[in-house]
Amino acid sequence: KQEVTQIPAALSVPEGENLVLNCSFTDSAIYNLQWFRQDPGKGLTSLLLIQSSQREQTSGRLNASLDKSSGRSTLYIAASQPGDSATYLCAVIQGAQKLVFGQGTRLTINP
Amino acid sequence: GAVVSQHPSWVICKSGTSVKIECRSLDFQATTMFWYRQFPKQSLMLMATSNEGSKATYEQGVEKDKFLINHASLTLSTLTVTSAHPEDSSFYICSALRGEVAEQYFGPGTRLTVT
Repeated sequence: KQEVTQIPAALSVPEGENLVLNCSFTDSAIYNLQWFRQDPGKGLTSLLLIQSSQREQTSGRLNASLDKSSGRSTLYIAASQPGDSATYLCAVIQGAQKLVFGQGTRLTINP
Repeated sequence: GAVVSQHPSWVICKSGTSVKIECRSLDFQATTMFWYRQFPKQSLMLMATSNEGSKATYEQGVEKDKFLINHASLTLSTLTVTSAHPEDSSFYICSALRGEVAEQYFGPGTRLTVT
């Protein structure tokens, strides 16, 4: 059974810092990996989707990497801003397009 | 593009009643939609896969008679929580699969409180 783990569970950093969020998964037989952002009481916003054949994806200040063989992905946020404060969820996509989510990292950017 | 809506955004109901939650893909057709539930400070757990024109596929441990799913059109799936109890109180989120890009787009969620 696939298990997705995110470390750390919570992170608080001052504005302007670069930071890395980690995601690991136990079964490397995945189709894709996706990073989401969730604001309190809201739905999910997709940030980046990495296909299994890709190593990384970039969007603005965000860069996500994928190492299938080691079962790891990282989300790099450059020059963090208070508006980046949210919970970040990592999910692996398996057969039948099922997503298995990690527990998330609650990120707080302090002004 | 790729907008998914849910209705209602929140609902309070009495124990024993049934509640219907709608999930709509507004600008694309979705043969497959998914229903998740999320407890406070926890991650999303897949409840079931909803396929247009056929029966839903439920995850292990999810009661199909309690959580009725109907995917009657390519843009609408509904989740009905039957005979709701306080332990059914949760945040329910749907997603719709956009086939041409094989990516799920999520609705804003529905907060259900059963009193």
